[in-house]
Amino acid sequence: AQTVTQSQPEMSVQEAETVTLSCTYDTSESDYYLFWYKQPPSRQMILVIRQEAYKQQNATENRFSVNFQKAAKSFSLKISDSQLGDAAMYFCAYRSARTALIFGKGTTLSVSS
Amino acid sequence: DAGVTQSPTHLIKTRGQQVTLRCSPKSGHDTVSWYQQALGQGPQFIFQYYEEEERQRGNFPDRFSGHQFPNYSSELNVNALLLGDSALYLCASNRRGTGVGIGPYEQYFGPGTRLTVT
Repeated sequence: AQTVTQSQPEMSVQEAETVTLSCTYDTSESDYYLFWYKQPPSRQMILVIRQEAYKQQNATENRFSVNFQKAAKSFSLKISDSQLGDAAMYFCAYRSARTALIFGKGTTLSVSS
Repeated sequence: DAGVTQSPTHLIKTRGQQVTLRCSPKSGHDTVSWYQQALGQGPQFIFQYYEEEERQRGNFPDRFSGHQFPNYSSELNVNALLLGDSALYLCASNRRGTGVGIGPYEQYFGPGTRLTVT
């Protein structure tokens, strides 16, 4: 069965600094997608970034980028120039044609000024 | 463009009662999935509906059932409520992909319904 592991329950960063959230996953499938979702206190789950497993190039969305290491089954999220609005719970998630979204337990990110 | 909407926002029920939660998908989406998120945890997949049929199901008992209507909206029903059913219930929608491969299948989430069972 596929699993997603986020080993950092909590992380903190100062405004304008860079932070990296870790995620590892386990699967025997070759075709899948990986996602990072953000869930602020408002509860709305927001898609931050996605990565297709067949693409070697790491995805980037403005200040958010990923480091996708397929062989190591690692998928970390880097947030550059952190802002107060980035404070939220971040979930790493896996999806394939055979599975619905499988989420990790999340990392709570706090941002201080 | 309306996003995913869910109703009600909050709900308080007593053990043994039944509850129905509602979801309207994002415009252009035809697939609806339901997730249960316990406090401090990641969401857990309950089931997915497409073309008014349950297509996939997670590890949830039969007390959890659903329905999808011709307009793609969906309901989640939970019977014989237990204290452990207290959670945030999230609805997500996507447009079922076509062509080769699984497609992005990006899911867009609603704001959730907070269910408290006392």
